[in-house]
Order: sequence, then structure tokens, then C-alpha cells
Amino acid sequence: DAGVIQSPRHEVTEMGQEVTLRCKPISGHDYLFWYRQTMMRGLELLIYFNNNVPIDDSGMPEDRFSAKMPNASFSTLKIQPSEPRDSAVYFCASRTGSSYNEQFFGPGTRLTVL
Amino acid sequence: SQKIEQNSEALNIQEGKTATLTCNYTNYSPAYLQWYRQDPGRGPVFLLLIRENEKEKRKERLKVTFDTTLKQSLFHITASQPADSATYLCALDRGGGSQGNLIFGKGTKLSVKP
Repeated sequence: DAGVIQSPRHEVTEMGQEVTLRCKPISGHDYLFWYRQTMMRGLELLIYFNNNVPIDDSGMPEDRFSAKMPNASFSTLKIQPSEPRDSAVYFCASRTGSSYNEQFFGPGTRLTVL
Repeated sequence: SQKIEQNSEALNIQEGKTATLTCNYTNYSPAYLQWYRQDPGRGPVFLLLIRENEKEKRKERLKVTFDTTLKQSLFHITASQPADSATYLCALDRGGGSQGNLIFGKGTKLSVKP
């Protein structure tokens, strides 16, 4: 298996622009997580899905952030409009059903908002 | 509020020595704890899981302990090698039927010098 796939790997954009990050989880995994990592705050959970349904979005910082999972093999995280403080590395992770199971992380998308 | 702390941002040791990393938490009772390794520019990779009713877990040169009274986990790497240099993250289950929703520490950056 190719593992969790994220695109793009790097994104540089200007303040106010819309940004869309993409994730393809490992086939057969029914949980998908979106995280954000910064030096100041570490790795923070933004939202997670179970069987394509959002379960907990309490980590989404503002209404500017939205996430969708239209099917089992694809999810997006959108920021509109983007701000410089959104600059971070965004990770997608997936796992199978048991809550004890490890999460498999993608390589991340490094977002820079100028 | 739930809080998790890894008490060293960085740890420098000599090759062959044992590295010991600490993870402390407050204000909740996780069902389990996981340790991940993160290399620069990459996503975290799962290493070990220890459950609340387990005192110790081993995997090759790695050993994890979990003391629910002290609310602390220790992560040991014996006979350390330069290839062990990375950032190590602890992660705890949020508990209360959270479906494996994890809280991550900020990590400890380990450097093993030859």
C-alpha cells in the first residue's frame, strides 16, 4: 500500500486566498484525522471522520476552516480566506476501527501564507 | 483542562547510552498511551502502545512504562545509535469513548552523538 497520500506537499499563498489541502487515506481505514503542527502548539487535532461522517470538529479554529470527506478514499481541508497565522504543517492520518490502533500519518502539507 | 507535557524539548546523549524520555499528563485518565517517532519533514510514525492496565511494554531496544498513579510514561531507548536521532511524541487517548481521538505532546528532540 502507498500509505496516506497528501497533496500538495508545499503550498505558498497570499493572505486572503483560498487554500485546499487533499488527502487519500489508506484503503480500508474507516477513520480519518486532520492535524496541524506548529512549533508553538505542537500537533493539534482539527477534525476527524468515521465512515466519511465528521465526528468531532471542535479543533477547527474558525469558520474559515472547513473539511469534507465525500467518499472513503478522499478528504479535503479548506481554508478561506487564509491568514498568515494559518502557516503550519497540516497532516492527514488514518486508521482502522479499533481506537487502540495506531494512526498512519501522511507526509504533510507545509502551508505558508504571506 | 486536559494537559500533556513532555518535560524536555531536547535531549543529547552519547551513542551506546540509554535515552529516557518523559511524558506527564493531568486532569484525565487515558485508557492507553502511544509513542510516535517523527523525522524532519515527515509525519509521525507509530512505535508502541501501552494500556492503562500494563506497567511495561518492550519492543527490541525500546521500553515504555505507564504509571497511572503518577500520571506518567517513560520511554527508554537502550544502546542508542545516531539513527535514533529524531523527535519522539507521546499521545494519549482522550478517554470517555472518544473513539481514539488522541492528544499529542509537543515532543522531545533526541540527538545521539557518535
